[in-house]
Amino acid sequence: DIVMTQSPDSLAVSLGERATINCKSRQSVLYSSNNKNYLAWYQQKPGQPPKLLFYWASTRESGVPDRFSGSGSGTDFTLTISSLQAEDVAVYYCQQYYSTPYTFGQGTKLEIK
Amino acid sequence: QVQLQESGPGLVKPSETLSLTCTVSGGSISGYYWNWIRQPPGKGLEWIGYIHYSGSTNYNPSLKSRVTISVDTSTSQFSLRLSSVTAADTAVYYCARISGSPNKGFDYWGQGTLITVSS
Repeated sequence: DIVMTQSPDSLAVSLGERATINCKSRQSVLYSSNNKNYLAWYQQKPGQPPKLLFYWASTRESGVPDRFSGSGSGTDFTLTISSLQAEDVAVYYCQQYYSTPYTFGQGTKLEIK
Repeated sequence: QVQLQESGPGLVKPSETLSLTCTVSGGSISGYYWNWIRQPPGKGLEWIGYIHYSGSTNYNPSLKSRVTISVDTSTSQFSLRLSSVTAADTAVYYCARISGSPNKGFDYWGQGTLITVSS
């Protein structure tokens, strides 16, 4: 199994400030045949299912605000919120879909400071 | 807009079999991989397995001996059976779609249904 590890486990950021969440995979999720990283980011608010934010590590899903960005390649990835808004309070998960069993990071809880 | 809706009993007794159904609407079940994912209360996400509309399956090895996923394309439904349940199987169970091309991961999710294992 590809183990996904996120850091930090929780994060408190002031409104308007930058939030950064890291995700590391134990092995590369870069598919050499198409040079795509099979890494997705999800946002989960209380009582709701996860919502896809990014796929291929950095491709923003339709409708996701551009204050969100995804980056990284191989084994190290980052989700950044450039200017935190109140509605961004949630738990964020990274997930690899390079190989089965698909695996998720443990989640990062983002709160307002 | 594709919608997924889980349905199931809510409460299952220990050692019995959990059965859930996911109904797909607003889009075709054909051409995609359909998944079950669970989340114990207050914890993270665990992928259970998927079924392709053609019927091929792939299960998480951690659950493989107890899991069966099936599909009925005529009713646009797919189902999960998890046998010999224990309290550790208490979780919110989600159904979700793996997108086609491009492969985005899980692009549509059901709202989830809480399954409690208790006598």
